[in-house]
Amino acid sequence: GAGVSQSPSNKVTEKGKDVELRCDPISGHTALYWYRQSLGQGLEFLIYFQGNSAPDKSGLPSDRFSAERTGGSVSTLTIQRTQQEDSAVYLCASSFQGVNYGYTFGSGTRLTVV
Amino acid sequence: KQEVTQIPAALSVPEGENLVLNCSFTDSAIYNLQWFRQDPGKGLTSLLLIQSSQREQTSGRLNASLDKSSGRSTLYIAASQPGDSATYLCAGGWGKLQFGAGTQVVVTP
Repeated sequence: GAGVSQSPSNKVTEKGKDVELRCDPISGHTALYWYRQSLGQGLEFLIYFQGNSAPDKSGLPSDRFSAERTGGSVSTLTIQRTQQEDSAVYLCASSFQGVNYGYTFGSGTRLTVV
Repeated sequence: KQEVTQIPAALSVPEGENLVLNCSFTDSAIYNLQWFRQDPGKGLTSLLLIQSSQREQTSGRLNASLDKSSGRSTLYIAASQPGDSATYLCAGGWGKLQFGAGTQVVVTP
């Protein structure tokens, strides 16, 4: 596609429920990144994919968080048993091959846990 | 671990003034540096990318420089306009980008 697409744009969920956030990167971009931005905070790195593998998942905050990427394209970030502190904007970026080619970000998913 | 600091945290200038935004990083083994703009409630828009072999990039009224030896990058915005009001983020790294907290800019008419 022309840009990085994220869905849903907004998600309100009850504490304890599971949520899935989707990212569709720019066609041909092999690298995909997930970040989280809490209210008034900077961007926090979560996980990085190169193709379908994740060489760096050091930023995932707990084992409730997982992510996968299939076909070298779409990625899904799953949060199990959501907590109120998971409320944030989840941003996805893609890059042609890697960081030296720069990132293009999607518009993000705003997650609110009530 | 790479740490990125942006100074000042906030900046307010009258329209027409030049803006100077500073970014410093702790690890000189930075591969590249990218400047972004973020409008309230929106995602990040890439402004300039300085790749590993470059020292400077320019686009219109924007100019960014990178000095790896001192661990600093500077974003210049010439002749600021109210539409330049936003938060500006710098990010650098190797493998993945580490972000600064941003500089919130307000340009008053």
